[in-house]
Amino acid sequence: EVQLVQSGPEVTKPGESLKISCKASGYSFTNDWIGWVRQMPGKGLEWMGLIYPGDSDTRYSPSFEGQVTMSADKSVNTAYLQWSSLKASDTAMFYCVRQAADGYFGEWGQGTLVIVSS
Amino acid sequence: SYELTQPPSVSVSPGQTASITCFGDKLGDKYVSWYQQKSGQSPVLVMYQDKKRPSGIPERFSGSNSENAATLTISGTQPLDEADYYCQAWAGSTVVFGGGTRLTVL
Repeated sequence: EVQLVQSGPEVTKPGESLKISCKASGYSFTNDWIGWVRQMPGKGLEWMGLIYPGDSDTRYSPSFEGQVTMSADKSVNTAYLQWSSLKASDTAMFYCVRQAADGYFGEWGQGTLVIVSS
Repeated sequence: SYELTQPPSVSVSPGQTASITCFGDKLGDKYVSWYQQKSGQSPVLVMYQDKKRPSGIPERFSGSNSENAATLTISGTQPLDEADYYCQAWAGSTVVFGGGTRLTVL
């Protein structure tokens, strides 16, 4: 069974850095793209980008380029999303997703809630 | 940039057919996927490649895509189908989601 298990909720302050994780199991981690999707409170889904764990090739949405960094560690089958300096507007739920070869997102993590507040 | 447009809300009576449409320029030339998100839960894939149902998705869900619109149809809608539904497609190397449609079953 494919599973994506994300790290727990985070409450942080503006200006702080943060790294959240998504641990994959049940499939070959290095062979499929992992994506990240943002959902701000009460709003819709926004695609942030993708990473291919096999070689760490990344593709960022223009809206998120330079705002976040995606990475992956093949040794622990885990993908990461990080910020160097959070803003209050980064408050949202973040989902990791497994992208199938045909471009759809078949499996979703349970989400990581990030709250940025002073 | 490419946009997918969905109606904010659709209402349907139990047992009736609900249709949720997603509009985009030449959308029929792309594959469309649909996701269901119930309150407080992660989204779930309910349709991919326009009209394919993942394992475990009831047969009452069907999809189509032609010209500038893709449609998710739920036949014999049940109260448990009440959720937000999002369409999704690729535009070049970018993923695009529609704004979402809240389906109310009343």
